[in-house]
Amino acid sequence: EAQVTQNPRYLITVTGKKLTVTCSQNMNHEYMSWYRQDPGLGLRQIYYSMNVEVTDKGDVPEGYKVSRKEKRNFPLILESPSPNQTSLYFCASRRDDRTDTQYFGPGTRLTVL
Amino acid sequence: QKEVEQNSGPLSVPEGAIASLNCTYSDRGSQSFFWYRQYSGKSPELIMSIYSNGDKEDGRFTAQLNKASQYVSLLIRDSQPSDSATYLCAVKNFGNEKLTFGTGTRLTIIP
Repeated sequence: EAQVTQNPRYLITVTGKKLTVTCSQNMNHEYMSWYRQDPGLGLRQIYYSMNVEVTDKGDVPEGYKVSRKEKRNFPLILESPSPNQTSLYFCASRRDDRTDTQYFGPGTRLTVL
Repeated sequence: QKEVEQNSGPLSVPEGAIASLNCTYSDRGSQSFFWYRQYSGKSPELIMSIYSNGDKEDGRFTAQLNKASQYVSLLIRDSQPSDSATYLCAVKNFGNEKLTFGTGTRLTIIP
Protein backbone atom coordinates (compact mmCIF):
# COMPACT_ATOMS: atom_id res chain seq x y z
CA GLU A 1 0.00 0.00 0.00
CA ALA A 2 1.29 3.43 -1.00
CA GLN A 3 1.67 5.50 2.12
CA VAL A 4 3.55 7.98 4.24
CA THR A 5 4.30 6.70 7.72
CA GLN A 6 5.29 8.68 10.78
CA ASN A 7 6.59 7.51 14.13
CA PRO A 8 5.76 7.97 16.86
CA ARG A 9 2.10 8.93 16.50
CA TYR A 10 1.97 10.39 19.99
CA LEU A 11 4.80 11.67 22.14
CA ILE A 12 4.97 13.44 25.47
CA THR A 13 8.39 14.72 26.41
CA VAL A 14 10.09 17.32 28.55
CA THR A 15 11.82 20.55 27.66
CA GLY A 16 15.32 20.10 26.32
CA LYS A 17 15.22 16.36 25.64
CA LYS A 18 16.26 15.77 22.05
CA LEU A 19 13.78 13.85 19.92
CA THR A 20 13.35 12.65 16.37
CA VAL A 21 10.12 12.08 14.51
CA THR A 22 10.62 9.71 11.61
CA CYS A 23 8.89 9.96 8.25
CA SER A 24 9.07 7.39 5.50
CA GLN A 25 7.34 7.05 2.13
CA ASN A 26 7.22 4.01 -0.11
CA MET A 27 6.20 5.78 -3.33
CA ASN A 28 9.65 6.83 -4.56
CA HIS A 29 8.62 10.47 -4.28
CA GLU A 30 11.17 13.21 -4.91
CA TYR A 31 9.63 15.88 -2.70
CA MET A 32 8.99 15.70 1.03
CA SER A 33 7.85 18.27 3.60
CA TRP A 34 7.19 18.73 7.27
CA TYR A 35 4.31 20.82 8.62
CA ARG A 36 2.96 21.76 12.00
CA GLN A 37 -0.69 22.46 12.65
CA ASP A 38 -1.88 24.65 15.49
CA PRO A 39 -5.38 25.92 16.31
CA GLY A 40 -5.96 29.34 14.79
CA LEU A 41 -2.66 29.25 12.91
CA GLY A 42 -3.41 26.51 10.44
CA LEU A 43 -0.87 24.35 8.69
CA ARG A 44 2.61 25.85 8.47
CA GLN A 45 5.53 24.39 6.57
CA ILE A 46 8.70 23.77 8.60
CA TYR A 47 11.12 22.35 6.02
CA TYR A 48 10.97 20.74 2.64
CA SER A 49 13.26 18.67 0.47
CA MET A 50 13.23 18.39 -3.30
CA ASN A 51 16.00 15.82 -3.56
CA VAL A 52 18.37 13.69 -1.53
CA GLU A 53 20.78 15.89 0.43
CA VAL A 54 18.79 19.03 -0.52
CA THR A 55 16.65 20.70 2.12
CA ASP A 56 15.12 24.20 2.36
CA LYS A 57 13.41 26.22 5.02
CA GLY A 58 9.69 26.67 5.08
CA ASP A 59 7.87 29.36 7.04
CA VAL A 60 8.71 28.20 10.59
CA PRO A 61 12.09 26.40 10.63
CA GLU A 62 13.40 27.78 13.95
CA GLY A 63 14.09 25.06 16.47
CA TYR A 64 13.95 22.22 13.96
CA LYS A 65 16.42 20.27 11.86
CA VAL A 66 15.87 17.81 9.04
CA SER A 67 17.97 15.52 6.92
CA ARG A 68 17.43 13.70 3.62
CA LYS A 69 20.12 11.08 3.35
CA GLU A 70 17.96 8.74 1.30
CA LYS A 71 14.91 9.34 -0.83
CA ARG A 72 12.38 7.51 1.29
CA ASN A 73 13.17 9.03 4.70
CA PHE A 74 12.89 12.59 5.99
CA PRO A 75 13.27 12.74 9.80
CA LEU A 76 12.40 15.82 11.83
CA ILE A 77 14.77 16.55 14.68
CA LEU A 78 14.08 18.74 17.69
CA GLU A 79 17.45 19.21 19.37
CA SER A 80 16.09 21.04 22.41
CA PRO A 81 12.30 20.97 22.41
CA SER A 82 10.37 23.75 24.10
CA PRO A 83 6.68 23.97 25.10
CA ASN A 84 5.93 26.21 22.10
CA GLN A 85 6.74 23.25 19.88
CA THR A 86 3.76 21.38 21.25
CA SER A 87 1.77 20.76 18.10
CA LEU A 88 0.41 18.27 15.57
CA TYR A 89 3.08 17.45 13.00
CA PHE A 90 2.49 16.14 9.49
CA CYS A 91 4.96 14.75 7.02
CA ALA A 92 4.01 14.81 3.33
CA SER A 93 5.43 13.70 0.02
CA ARG A 94 4.82 14.45 -3.66
CA ARG A 95 6.18 12.59 -6.65
CA ASP A 96 7.59 15.62 -8.49
CA ASP A 97 6.43 18.65 -10.45
CA ARG A 98 4.44 16.48 -12.85
CA THR A 99 1.84 15.74 -10.23
CA ASP A 100 -0.15 17.94 -7.84
CA THR A 101 -1.06 15.40 -5.23
CA GLN A 102 0.77 15.67 -1.95
CA TYR A 103 0.25 12.68 0.33
CA PHE A 104 0.16 13.36 4.05
CA GLY A 105 1.17 11.04 6.82
CA PRO A 106 -1.21 10.34 9.73
CA GLY A 107 0.31 12.99 11.98
CA THR A 108 2.35 13.01 15.18
CA ARG A 109 0.92 14.72 18.22
CA LEU A 110 3.78 16.10 20.28
CA THR A 111 3.47 17.56 23.76
CA VAL A 112 6.48 19.24 25.34
CA LEU A 113 6.14 19.81 29.08
CA GLN B 1 -1.37 40.90 6.65
CA LYS B 2 -1.46 37.13 6.44
CA GLU B 3 -0.18 35.65 3.21
CA VAL B 4 -3.22 33.46 2.67
CA GLU B 5 -6.51 34.43 4.28
CA GLN B 6 -9.67 32.43 4.73
CA ASN B 7 -12.79 33.02 6.75
CA SER B 8 -12.51 30.54 9.61
CA GLY B 9 -16.24 29.96 9.74
CA PRO B 10 -18.01 27.89 10.74
CA LEU B 11 -19.98 28.00 7.51
CA SER B 12 -23.29 26.17 7.67
CA VAL B 13 -25.00 25.13 4.44
CA PRO B 14 -28.19 23.08 3.97
CA GLU B 15 -27.83 19.70 2.31
CA GLY B 16 -28.23 20.00 -1.46
CA ALA B 17 -27.25 23.68 -1.57
CA ILE B 18 -24.06 25.23 -2.95
CA ALA B 19 -21.24 25.85 -0.49
CA SER B 20 -18.91 28.71 -1.41
CA LEU B 21 -15.46 28.94 0.19
CA ASN B 22 -13.17 31.88 -0.39
CA CYS B 23 -9.46 32.57 -0.12
CA THR B 24 -7.29 35.60 -0.79
CA TYR B 25 -3.51 35.69 -1.08
CA SER B 26 -0.96 38.48 -0.91
CA ASP B 27 1.98 37.21 -3.01
CA ARG B 28 1.38 38.20 -6.64
CA GLY B 29 4.10 35.72 -7.64
CA SER B 30 1.95 32.78 -6.56
CA GLN B 31 1.31 30.47 -9.47
CA SER B 32 -0.23 27.29 -8.09
CA PHE B 33 -3.36 27.14 -5.98
CA PHE B 34 -4.80 24.21 -4.09
CA TRP B 35 -7.80 23.25 -2.03
CA TYR B 36 -7.38 20.56 0.62
CA ARG B 37 -10.07 18.94 2.71
CA GLN B 38 -9.37 17.84 6.26
CA TYR B 39 -11.82 15.79 8.26
CA SER B 40 -11.63 16.12 12.01
CA GLY B 41 -8.72 14.09 13.37
CA LYS B 42 -7.47 13.18 9.90
CA SER B 43 -4.76 14.33 7.52
CA PRO B 44 -5.37 16.87 4.75
CA GLU B 45 -6.17 15.52 1.30
CA LEU B 46 -5.97 17.37 -2.00
CA ILE B 47 -9.29 17.89 -3.75
CA MET B 48 -8.57 20.58 -6.36
CA SER B 49 -5.67 22.40 -7.96
CA ILE B 50 -5.82 25.37 -10.33
CA TYR B 51 -3.17 27.35 -12.17
CA SER B 52 -4.95 29.57 -14.71
CA ASN B 53 -7.58 32.26 -14.35
CA GLY B 54 -11.11 30.99 -14.67
CA ASP B 55 -12.98 27.93 -13.51
CA LYS B 56 -11.92 24.32 -13.16
CA GLU B 57 -14.56 21.70 -12.53
CA ASP B 58 -14.21 18.22 -11.08
CA GLY B 59 -17.46 16.48 -10.26
CA ARG B 60 -19.34 18.53 -7.68
CA PHE B 61 -16.33 20.77 -7.06
CA THR B 62 -15.42 23.93 -8.97
CA ALA B 63 -12.32 25.96 -8.26
CA GLN B 64 -12.22 29.57 -9.43
CA LEU B 65 -9.10 31.70 -9.77
CA ASN B 66 -8.79 35.44 -10.33
CA LYS B 67 -5.13 36.44 -10.23
CA ALA B 68 -5.86 40.14 -10.75
CA SER B 69 -7.95 40.16 -7.57
CA GLN B 70 -5.67 37.60 -5.87
CA TYR B 71 -8.70 35.48 -5.10
CA VAL B 72 -9.39 31.75 -5.18
CA SER B 73 -12.68 30.10 -4.41
CA LEU B 74 -14.13 26.63 -4.13
CA LEU B 75 -17.75 25.85 -4.90
CA ILE B 76 -19.31 22.60 -3.78
CA ARG B 77 -22.56 21.82 -5.55
CA ASP B 78 -25.26 19.55 -4.14
CA SER B 79 -23.58 19.64 -0.73
CA GLN B 80 -23.66 16.39 1.22
CA PRO B 81 -23.20 15.75 4.95
CA SER B 82 -19.95 13.98 4.01
CA ASP B 83 -18.62 17.35 2.78
CA SER B 84 -18.55 18.58 6.38
CA ALA B 85 -14.87 19.23 7.02
CA THR B 86 -12.29 21.99 7.21
CA TYR B 87 -11.19 23.28 3.82
CA LEU B 88 -7.66 24.59 3.48
CA CYS B 89 -6.50 26.93 0.73
CA ALA B 90 -2.81 26.75 -0.22
CA VAL B 91 -0.59 28.65 -2.65
CA LYS B 92 2.81 27.94 -4.15
CA ASN B 93 5.28 29.37 -6.61
CA PHE B 94 6.85 27.31 -9.38
CA GLY B 95 10.35 26.07 -8.87
CA ASN B 96 10.21 25.22 -5.21
CA GLU B 97 8.11 23.22 -2.80
CA LYS B 98 7.31 26.08 -0.44
CA LEU B 99 3.59 25.83 0.25
CA THR B 100 1.64 28.39 2.28
CA PHE B 101 -1.71 27.46 3.77
CA GLY B 102 -4.59 29.54 5.00
CA THR B 103 -6.03 28.81 8.42
CA GLY B 104 -8.96 26.91 6.91
CA THR B 105 -12.73 27.27 6.81
CA ARG B 106 -14.84 24.84 8.77
CA LEU B 107 -17.85 23.77 6.73
CA THR B 108 -20.91 22.06 8.17
CA ILE B 109 -23.60 20.62 5.91
CA ILE B 110 -26.95 20.52 7.67
CA PRO B 111 -29.17 17.54 6.72
